[in-house]
Amino acid sequence: AQKITQTQPGMFVQEKEAVTLDCTYDTSDPSYGLFWYKQPSSGEMIFLIYQGSYDQQNATEGRYSLNFQKARKSANLVISASQLGDSAMYFCAMRARGSQGNLIFGKGTKLSVKP
Amino acid sequence: DVKVTQSSRYLVKRTGEKVFLECVQDMDHENMFWYRQDPGLGLRLIYFSYDVKMKEKGDIPEGYSVSREKKERFSLILESASTNQTSMYLCASSFGKGAEINQPQHFGDGTRLSIL
Repeated sequence: AQKITQTQPGMFVQEKEAVTLDCTYDTSDPSYGLFWYKQPSSGEMIFLIYQGSYDQQNATEGRYSLNFQKARKSANLVISASQLGDSAMYFCAMRARGSQGNLIFGKGTKLSVKP
Repeated sequence: DVKVTQSSRYLVKRTGEKVFLECVQDMDHENMFWYRQDPGLGLRLIYFSYDVKMKEKGDIPEGYSVSREKKERFSLILESASTNQTSMYLCASSFGKGAEINQPQHFGDGTRLSIL
């Protein structure tokens, strides 16, 4: 069975510091993609970053980077230089070729950035 | 930029009513999805569609139906609304025929539905 686990229900970080949000996954499919989404209190889900299972390098998008450790089946999101606007729910999701292309989501981590 | 538009941000309906939630995307995406989101349960897939007039059940289809008569529009129908269907509903779309693992889903702003 395919599964995404986010073990941190809530996290606090000081403004301008870096923070790591954990995500572990489970799949028997060798070909899969990992996604991170941000959901502010207003409700919309915003796509942040993607990592493919065969990608040799960790994905980066601006202040977001993905610490991908394939052997440990982890895909942690790193946010550098946190801003107040980063306060939101963050969801890790996986898409495996054998899953008909659907996304499987974790339960999310609520990040609060302190001034 | 991809635009996924949901017809209402907030909706209040009564038990037993037939409720329609509309979703339109403007990027010619093949795939469209309906989720509900509840605190502590994350996002759960209700129905999805890979093509016009095509639909597939997700994890929690009971009490819901969908319609996809045009490629850009995917409607979620609550046949007879009940209080346990009070939730946040999110529509999403993505490119491709379903096998492309690198294509993200793009979401609408969500509809907060209350059934009284």
